[in-house]
Amino acid sequence: EVQLVESGGGLVQPGGSLRLSCAASGFTFSDYWMHWVRQIPGKGLVWVSRINRDATLTTYADSVKGRFTISRDNAKNTLYLQMNSLRAEDTAVYYCARGTYYDFFYWGQGTLVTVSS
Amino acid sequence: SSELTQDPAVSVALGQTVRITCQGDSLRNYFPTWYQQKPGQAPVLVIYGENNRPSGIPDRFSGSSSGNTASLTITGAQAEDEADYYCNSRDSSGYHLVFGTGTKVTVL
Repeated sequence: EVQLVESGGGLVQPGGSLRLSCAASGFTFSDYWMHWVRQIPGKGLVWVSRINRDATLTTYADSVKGRFTISRDNAKNTLYLQMNSLRAEDTAVYYCARGTYYDFFYWGQGTLVTVSS
Repeated sequence: SSELTQDPAVSVALGQTVRITCQGDSLRNYFPTWYQQKPGQAPVLVIYGENNRPSGIPDRFSGSSSGNTASLTITGAQAEDEADYYCNSRDSSGYHLVFGTGTKVTVL
């Protein structure tokens, strides 16, 4: 069974940093593209970033480019999102998802990030 | 702002058919993927590619596309289909990904 479990969310002050993790199990992690998607509670889904199988290609939404860094450790079956210079508008539930270059077949349950003073 | 537009809400009588649409220029070149999201839960992929369902998704869900408009159709809607539905595809550059604005489906 495919499982994706996010962690690392919490309350952080504006300008602060946070690193999210996504532990994967039930499949060969290194075979798949991975993504981060976020959702402000009560609002729609927004794609954040993706990374290819061997971490040689990463892509970011314009709203986070230069502030967020996606990475992965295939030996640990773990996906990461390093978030720096956080803003109030980054407040959201962050989901990791296993997919292809452009879609998302399996999702974790999400971790809430709150940026507030 | 999203490059994929969906109607905010639709309703359907139990057992009837409902069509959810997604409009955007990128849909002329790429099939969308459709997701179902129930309150408090993560999204679930229901349709991908031209009209493909992952295992476990009932065959009452189907997808179609024409020009800049794609549709998700639920034929014989059930109470458990009440949820938010999102489409996603690539943006106009083909490089970034976008989601539709979402459609809330109510089953009466």
